[in-house]
Amino acid sequence: DTGVSQDPRHKITKRGQNVTFRCDPISEHNRLYWYRQTLGQGPEFLTYFQNEAQLEKSRLLSDRFSAERPKGSFSTLEIQRTEQGDSAMYLCASSLDYGRTGRPEAFFGQGTRLTVV
Amino acid sequence: GENVEQHPSTLSVQEGDSAVIKCTYSDSASNYFPWYKQELGKRPQLIIDIRSNVGEKKDQRIAVTLNKTAKHFSLHITETQPEDSAVYFCAAVNDYKLSFGAGTTVTVRA
Repeated sequence: DTGVSQDPRHKITKRGQNVTFRCDPISEHNRLYWYRQTLGQGPEFLTYFQNEAQLEKSRLLSDRFSAERPKGSFSTLEIQRTEQGDSAMYLCASSLDYGRTGRPEAFFGQGTRLTVV
Repeated sequence: GENVEQHPSTLSVQEGDSAVIKCTYSDSASNYFPWYKQELGKRPQLIIDIRSNVGEKKDQRIAVTLNKTAKHFSLHITETQPEDSAVYFCAAVNDYKLSFGAGTTVTVRA
């Protein structure tokens, strides 16, 4: 499968523990996004990377959340001191910047479902 | 920031009938409007998209229309089939950020 891959697919953790998720984008894609999706809602933007630079972070991303994309390839999203409200599907997406004349389609990974108990 | 509203939240149609989902957006700088289909437990999949310099686009049984002046766009599915049952999300893109609507759960009754 040459699409966006995420690991793990499911994570159950106790409140207060730290968790880290990984996203491997489509290899030539320079843009990478993290979204959070709760039941019955559309994906909510968390953060965006252009190559290795994190260019935007949503206000939804508290200080407990940190994301990295070393070398502009895979990305990690870490949540420290997890809370029950962090339970959600965390989706990663990637796209290629074609500029304003192209089609900047974003392709999603399968997501990591986090359950905080 | 961009605010995308989507209606209806649920839609039940008889197999063979048409389904229409409508979205509005707030940021006039948004210039790309993709639609995603998400089946239960699966990733959102792009099904059709439209750029702001085009008013309508069709791909087999699905079509999208865009009214830039009114800042709304719609998804039309004709001759619905049971496999069209899913959650559909509209999105608006300004530069790089996709802002999603809340989704429409479409159920096609056999």
